[in-house]
Amino acid sequence: GESVGLHLPTLSVQEGDNSIINCAYSNSASDYFIWYKQESGKGPQFIIDIRSNMDKRQGQRVTVLLNKTVKHLSLQIAATQPGDSAVYFCAENSPDKLIFGTGTRLQVFP
Amino acid sequence: DTEVTQTPKHLVMGMTNKKSLKCEQHMGHRAMYWYKQKAKKPPELMFVYSYEKLSINESVPSRFSPECPNSSLLNLHLHALQPEDSALYLCASSQIPPLAGEYEQYFGPGTRLTVT
Repeated sequence: GESVGLHLPTLSVQEGDNSIINCAYSNSASDYFIWYKQESGKGPQFIIDIRSNMDKRQGQRVTVLLNKTVKHLSLQIAATQPGDSAVYFCAENSPDKLIFGTGTRLQVFP
Repeated sequence: DTEVTQTPKHLVMGMTNKKSLKCEQHMGHRAMYWYKQKAKKPPELMFVYSYEKLSINESVPSRFSPECPNSSLLNLHLHALQPEDSALYLCASSQIPPLAGEYEQYFGPGTRLTVT
């Protein structure tokens, strides 16, 4: 249904710290998950993906963790940089289309 | 080339106008998508084309009419829109799941539409 509220959840972190962005998904049958980054005025940009047969996947400075028991995803960004400031969406493939989470705004301050 | 292009970047139209949004990709993807995104909200799926045929219509009003002329192009024809249709319209493409084993959707930059 329609999400309530006009404000995105916001995570504020200091440059150089690690960031953790969380996401709850809805369909226990979803078999594929993606994290997207969306900067202001741009379309979503792929960051990292994970399949349901995995618990963890690492990329460059990013790690995605999947907990199927509680239907939870997290995105960890190491050594957060100003260029990481954006809105981050998780998405689940459920089952033939992507369903996006509500998003989290990451703000990086010096 | 991993780019999805969209034109125009910005569009202002009146409620009686007819306009079209265009999307193009040259990655050989056979699935293409239209999404609508309101401010501070996630993208919402509107249409999916698979092998140039409409496979999913998420109960979108008929004032939005998609068209897929070939495997690289996707259009969205707009007619008699309402002010509440103002939004960012995103196009995306991907391999066809599950045969390709890849589901990642590549997004274009979007068209910012304002209906007056």
